Amino acid sequence: DADVTQTPRNRITKTGKRIMLECSQTKGHDRMYWYRQDPGLGLRLIYYSFDVKDINKGEISDGYSVSRQAQAKFSLSLESAIPNQTALYFCATSDSGLSNEQYFGPGTRLTVT
Amino acid sequence: DQQVKQNSPSLSVQEGRISILNCDYTNSMFDYFLWYKKYPAEGPTFLISISSIKDKNEDGRFTVFLNKSAKHLSLHIVPSQPGDSAVYFCADYTGANSKLTFGKGITLSVRP
Repeated sequence: DADVTQTPRNRITKTGKRIMLECSQTKGHDRMYWYRQDPGLGLRLIYYSFDVKDINKGEISDGYSVSRQAQAKFSLSLESAIPNQTALYFCATSDSGLSNEQYFGPGTRLTVT
Repeated sequence: DQQVKQNSPSLSVQEGRISILNCDYTNSMFDYFLWYKKYPAEGPTFLISISSIKDKNEDGRFTVFLNKSAKHLSLHIVPSQPGDSAVYFCADYTGANSKLTFGKGITLSVRP
C-alpha cells in the first residue's frame, strides 16, 4: 500500500462550491505539506504543518484552509472554489529529523468550472 | 523573484548519451539542493541531493554538481535511458524553515 494517499484522485466542481481534499500517511512523519502544480509554474507551497498543533501558511495560501486532524491526516479545503484553483494538488510528508526529503502522494487533479 | 530557476523547459536526448539538467538559484543560505523526478499521474519522487558543503554527489547513473560561486547546479544522467523520460524539479532546502522551494521543472525526453 502507498505510504501517502490522497482522496479524491480526480474531482470536477463548480465555482462557489466548497471542496475538501484529504491526505493520509502511514510513514509516521510529523510534518505534512500541501502543494499545487500548475503548468510552467512548478510546485508551490500552500500550507504546511510541523505537528498537529502547528499550522503555517505557505506562499499561496489565499483561498485555502487546512486542518490537521491527527498526525497522519492533513486536509485542504477550498471554501468557495474559483476557476483559477484548477490545478494538480499534492500532499507530502517529512520527518522532523535531519532528513530534508519529502515524500509525495499521487496527487489530486481538481477542475473548477 | 523566483528563488530557484530552471530556465530550459525541455530537453531531448538520445538513449545512451548524457543528459544535463541545469538549475540556478539566488538563495545562498540553503543547506541542501534536491532533485525530484515526476512521471505523469504520479507524485514527485526524490532522486538525489547535495549538501551545501559539497560540490559533487554521485548515485549510480546520476551525479549532481554544485558550483556555489556561480550559484548553479546541474544533474547529469549517464547513460540516459528511455525510462528517465519525466519532469525533473530542482529544489532548495533551508533547515531554518524546513521548506523546499521548487523550480518550474524541466521535461526530459530520452529517444530510443
